[in-house]
Amino acid sequence: AQSVTQPDIHITVSEGASLELRCNYSYGATPYLFWYVQSPGQGLQLLLKYFSGDTLVQGIKGFEAEFKRSQSSFNLRKPSVHWSDAAEYFCAVGGTGFQKLVFGTGTRLLVSP
Amino acid sequence: DGGITQSPKYLFRKEGQNVTLSCEQNLNHDAMYWYRQDPGQGLRLIYYSQIVNDFQKGDIAEGYSVSREKKESFPLTVTSAQKNPTAFYLCASRSSGDSMAAQYFGPGTRLLVL
Repeated sequence: AQSVTQPDIHITVSEGASLELRCNYSYGATPYLFWYVQSPGQGLQLLLKYFSGDTLVQGIKGFEAEFKRSQSSFNLRKPSVHWSDAAEYFCAVGGTGFQKLVFGTGTRLLVSP
Repeated sequence: DGGITQSPKYLFRKEGQNVTLSCEQNLNHDAMYWYRQDPGQGLRLIYYSQIVNDFQKGDIAEGYSVSREKKESFPLTVTSAQKNPTAFYLCASRSSGDSMAAQYFGPGTRLLVL
């Protein structure tokens, strides 16, 4: 069965420090992988997506993610976190065609001054 | 501006009452989706539609109904059969003609039970 695991419920990072959010997936075929960000009470905004090709994907707001097939991982990174990055981050996996997505339970990022 | 709108932002339901959540998009997307979000559980798919006049159940369709009479509209009705409707509801759409297109989300509707 398809599944996504985000092992960290909360992460606190100092402003200016680097960030890595973990995502592990289980999917029977070639996965399509996504990272979304959600501010409180808002909808989800797409940060980046991976379908094929280069395993290092660049997204908006300075985020990047690396697809590692051998580890079934798609971790999100940012070299220097800003206070405005505080939000909840969701990893999702899906396939071709209809693209039914399975979401992880999210990681809430707190940024300390 | 192109995008997805959901209304109302907050909705209150009385016991035994059906309520309808609106979702409209002007992105010319064929596919539309409804998700339910509960704290600590991520998003779960309720219904989806790939074309007008066609829709399929997702993982948690019981107690919900939808219609897709127009390409730009995909309303969700929460029926009295849904015993625990309090949640944040998100609508999404996607260009199904592009296999690498992602889903784009509306701002959500929070449903509360009185």
